Amino acid sequence: DGGITQSPKYLFRKEGQNVTLSCEQNLNHDAMYWYRQDPGQGLRLIYYSQIVNDFQKGDIAEGYSVSREKKESFPLTVTSAQKNPTAFYLCASSEGRLVYEQYFGPGTRLTVT
Amino acid sequence: EDKVVQSPLSLVVHEGDTVTLNCSYEVTNFRSLLWYKQEKKAPTFLFMLTSSGIEKKSGRLSSILDKKELFSILNITATQTGDSAVYLCAGAGSYQLTFGKGTKLSVIP
Repeated sequence: DGGITQSPKYLFRKEGQNVTLSCEQNLNHDAMYWYRQDPGQGLRLIYYSQIVNDFQKGDIAEGYSVSREKKESFPLTVTSAQKNPTAFYLCASSEGRLVYEQYFGPGTRLTVT
Repeated sequence: EDKVVQSPLSLVVHEGDTVTLNCSYEVTNFRSLLWYKQEKKAPTFLFMLTSSGIEKKSGRLSSILDKKELFSILNITATQTGDSAVYLCAGAGSYQLTFGKGTKLSVIP
């Protein structure tokens, strides 16, 4: 089955701890994206990557970091510098940088107390 | 700064009604407009519109883009309870999508 997987589904952390969210795709897509969604809000872009070993900041990158060492994987680290980390995080991928139909994973709900 | 505005933000209708969801956009280097449906978790793709005036249709859903007036509409006819969801509109610029806040549609029996 082709698709995007995110794990875990729910994550709870104490304030001050870094946490890494996993995103894996087996669609052979070049581009991958991380979004954050807050209640009543649309999706806001955190980081994106168009090819392996390259990534760019989105609109709200502060307090987050990413890596793209493999085509299939694009993990997101929420650092202690992120002031408001509790949110729903969605990973997406698309065939290439000029193909805008993005496919989404099931999301990770992060709660920081 | 790119901006996408959807209206209304929420809507409650009865089964069988027809609804129209609106999306206006200001996106630098605009390439296309996308609609997604989000039920509980992952948004699922509905339409991508690139050309003005050409309606895209899938079953009871249809959508059209007006590049002169910078807006798009999503129509759903004969609504069913399964249409209850948040409908997201996104404008595609050079390398990224800018999403609106979504329209929450509730269809009651």
